[in-house]
Amino acid sequence: DIQMTQSPSSLSASVGDRVTITCQASQDISNYLNWYQQKPGKAPKLLIYDASNLETGVPSRFSGSGSGTDFTFTISSLQPEDIATYYCQQYDNLRLFTFGPGTKVDIK
Amino acid sequence: EVQLVQSGAEVKKPGESLKISCKGSGYSFTSYWIGWVRQMPGKGLEWMGIIYPGDSDTRYSPSFQGQVTISADKSISTAYLQWSSLKASDTAMYYCAATATASFDIWGQGTMVTVSS
Repeated sequence: DIQMTQSPSSLSASVGDRVTITCQASQDISNYLNWYQQKPGKAPKLLIYDASNLETGVPSRFSGSGSGTDFTFTISSLQPEDIATYYCQQYDNLRLFTFGPGTKVDIK
Repeated sequence: EVQLVQSGAEVKKPGESLKISCKGSGYSFTSYWIGWVRQMPGKGLEWMGIIYPGDSDTRYSPSFQGQVTISADKSISTAYLQWSSLKASDTAMYYCAATATASFDIWGQGTMVTVSS
């Protein structure tokens, strides 16, 4: 099985700060990596697909990069509405998926 | 409107069986994969398995293989997740989500399952 790790597990930042979350796969997954946002009591929402593609309708302050085993998710200017837990998710050619453990983001 | 609507919350006893549902509308149900995701209280997301309603091709996470059954009835655009014998550790929120590729862009509202004696 492919294992996913995320860091940090939580962070606190000020409005307007640049926030970076990293996700690492236990083996090469090419760009088969998605990022989701989950607000408390809500279903997850797709933000980034295939490592770096912004989902339609998602604000441009969100971005993703990376390939192989190391990936980065960035919020260029943190907004109050971005308070949420963020998950990376890998997939393979067999349509087997794994979520990372999540990163909880809140406002300092 | 493209949406997935899940069945309501359930309260069951250990050992009981359960089948929860996820109905798709506003898109071609047979052309999208439907996945199921577990979220235990206060915990992260866990991918359970996925089905392609067009031909019922089903894949399971090794962690959930043999523990649950995923099925679909394309005639009524509905996918299912079922247990034959629930345990207290099955208490969780369960989400269904749809994808035409490999990124889940349509999500249901979630079904809370509580298993308690």
